[in-house]
Amino acid sequence: EGQLVESGGGLVQPGGSLRLSCAASGFTFSNYDMHWVRQATGKGLEWVADVGRRGDTWYSDSVKGRFTISRDNGKNSLYLQMNSLRAGDTAVYFCVRDPAGHGMDVWGQGTTVTVSS
Amino acid sequence: DIVMTQSPLFLPVTPGEPASISCRSSQSLLYRNGYNYLDWYLQKPGRSPQLLIYLGSNRASGVPDRFSGSVSGTDFTLHISRVEAEDVGVYYCMQALQNPRTFGQGTKVEIK
Repeated sequence: EGQLVESGGGLVQPGGSLRLSCAASGFTFSNYDMHWVRQATGKGLEWVADVGRRGDTWYSDSVKGRFTISRDNGKNSLYLQMNSLRAGDTAVYFCVRDPAGHGMDVWGQGTTVTVSS
Repeated sequence: DIVMTQSPLFLPVTPGEPASISCRSSQSLLYRNGYNYLDWYLQKPGRSPQLLIYLGSNRASGVPDRFSGSVSGTDFTLHISRVEAEDVGVYYCMQALQNPRTFGQGTKVEIK
């Protein structure tokens, strides 16, 4: 079925940086597109970034130029490097599996990022 | 970007009764393969979202058959044939046709 476990969240000051990680298990990680989706407290879901099986990347306008998504297929891991963080980036960040055309079918439990002075 | 608009935003339901949620996309989600790239997700209280329906009308693995999806042009509907207490939460539609992926605002379903 597959499992995703995020880590790396925490409290950071505005302008600071944080690196999120997502460890994948129970499936062939390299066969899937992967996403980061975030959710501010009490708000809806917001797509953040996507890395394809071949390493191609896409970003939402709100994070483009500040965030970098990457993957290491040898380590079955997904990453999100977040720089120049703002209060508006405060959210729970979910790592999500995407089997391309079959929905985002596996979600992690999320890791919380708080940007505050 | 494709805009997704859900209605209603709040839906009180009675167990055993049917319910439906609507989602409209600002442009066609129909790909050249004939499929509409629209997914439905449910986020139960305190939990991560879970996939219910993909490609407009395909139930995800393990999803009860009381859930179904239908498509009419750019209008999409999630149907629950007989609501159960465990169905409470926030339902989201999401277009998967192109990046950036975009979600609807969410529909909160509660038991009356």
